[in-house]
Amino acid sequence: RKEVEQDPGPFNVPEGATVAFNCTYSNSASQSFFWYRQDCRKEPKLLMSVYSSGNEDGRFTAQLNRASQYISLLIRDSKLSDSATYLCVVEDTGRRALTFGSGTRLQVQP
Amino acid sequence: EPEVTQTPSHQVTQMGQEVILRCVPISNHLYFYWYRQILGQKVEFLVSFYNNEISEKSEIFDDQFSVERPDGSNFTLKIRSTKLEDSAMYFCASSDTGTVREKLFFGSGTQLSVL
Repeated sequence: RKEVEQDPGPFNVPEGATVAFNCTYSNSASQSFFWYRQDCRKEPKLLMSVYSSGNEDGRFTAQLNRASQYISLLIRDSKLSDSATYLCVVEDTGRRALTFGSGTRLQVQP
Repeated sequence: EPEVTQTPSHQVTQMGQEVILRCVPISNHLYFYWYRQILGQKVEFLVSFYNNEISEKSEIFDDQFSVERPDGSNFTLKIRSTKLEDSAMYFCASSDTGTVREKLFFGSGTQLSVL
């Protein structure tokens, strides 16, 4: 079983749409969760951390379900500039390392 | 925002050659990392470094790889005898604490092509 699993997409949505991505992780002992954004051939950039109570940052909302071991990211009012690959990232328990999912590609269309 | 600098942005080498990838982490950061991403695949952890020694390393980081902080500002990744499968984008990252909750700052990467 993959450690962090994501639907690769692509998700093609019109501007203004709401889109949601899910991610599942295999290690139930994981404590820290993140969403990163990666533009084509660029470095990953932290979008937001994911907290147990759920958290929101502007148009972005992240949720964590520990019982089902999944993480979600909701993007409201999609912009063209949101087009990117969204990486689900989980702390590698026991060491200072991050385990990345393969990413979900989002394409926002005019 | 402060940034991590990597050089060169592209490196082409012949199989069997040694390469050194260079990184300048953010000046007050104490923890340094290398990750790599093979084209079309996920980002993978290679190694973490603190207090002039390796803290953690992955299964990928075998005897062909080494890291060094030669002068207090640079952080290097050396691959002794490159293989075709070492072709990837290599990202350096740094943070000011060792907890993964702390934001990692990634450099823009070095694209290594082994021919």
